[in-house]
Amino acid sequence: SQQGEEDPQALSIQEGENATMNCSYKTSINNLQWYRQNSGRGLVHLILIRSNEREKHSGRLRVTLDTSKKSSSLLITASRAADTASYFCATDAYSNYQLIWGAGTKLIIKP
Amino acid sequence: EPEVTQTPSHQVTQMGQEVILRCVPISNHLYFYWYRQILGQKVEFLVSFYNNEISEKSEIFDDQFSVERPDGSNFTLKIRSTKLEDSAMYFCASRLGQNYGYTFGSGTRLTVV
Repeated sequence: SQQGEEDPQALSIQEGENATMNCSYKTSINNLQWYRQNSGRGLVHLILIRSNEREKHSGRLRVTLDTSKKSSSLLITASRAADTASYFCATDAYSNYQLIWGAGTKLIIKP
Repeated sequence: EPEVTQTPSHQVTQMGQEVILRCVPISNHLYFYWYRQILGQKVEFLVSFYNNEISEKSEIFDDQFSVERPDGSNFTLKIRSTKLEDSAMYFCASRLGQNYGYTFGSGTRLTVV
C-alpha cells in the first residue's frame, strides 16, 4: 500500500507567493522527511520532523506534522524561481529501515 | 559539506550484461541505502545495509541484485543480467543513524538497451 501521498500533484505560483504542499500517510512513523529534486537530478534533504514534534522551521521552510490526521504540510514562504522543483515527503517507520516515498508535488515558480 | 559520491553518472548497457554502480557514502555514516526512480515515477526502496549486512530489502531486490561494502569506503550495487525495465535512476544514500535525514548521491542514470 502507498504511504506518503502529496497533494497537489502540481502547483504553479508567482514568485514571491507562498507555496503549500501536503502529505498524507497511512502507518505510524518515527519521523517524516521532505526532499527536493530538481529535474533529473539528485534528492536533497530539506527537513526532518520527528513524530513528537508538531512544527519545524528551516529558513523559508515551515513543516507541520499532525500525527492524529497522519498528515504533514510543507510551506515555502516568499518563493523564488530557484524553488522550482519536485518536492517529496518520505516517511520513516519504526519497524523498518527504509523510507517510503510519495509521488511528489511539482512546483513551478513563475517569475 | 560532506557528500555521497556516485559513479558513473550515466551508464548505458546491453540487455543481459552485468553492471556495478558505485557509491562512496559519508565516512562516519552507519546506514547505507540504494533506491531507484524510474522516469516519472516514485522513488522506490531497494535495500538497506547496516553493520556489514543487509538489514532490509524490497521485493524489487531479487537474486538479480547484490550489494557489497568491499572496504571501509565503497558501497556497490551489482545488477546481473540487466533487463530493459532496470532502466532507472539509481540513488545511493547514507545516514548517521535513525532519526537523521538521508544524504543522497546525485544518482546513476542506468539505460539498458
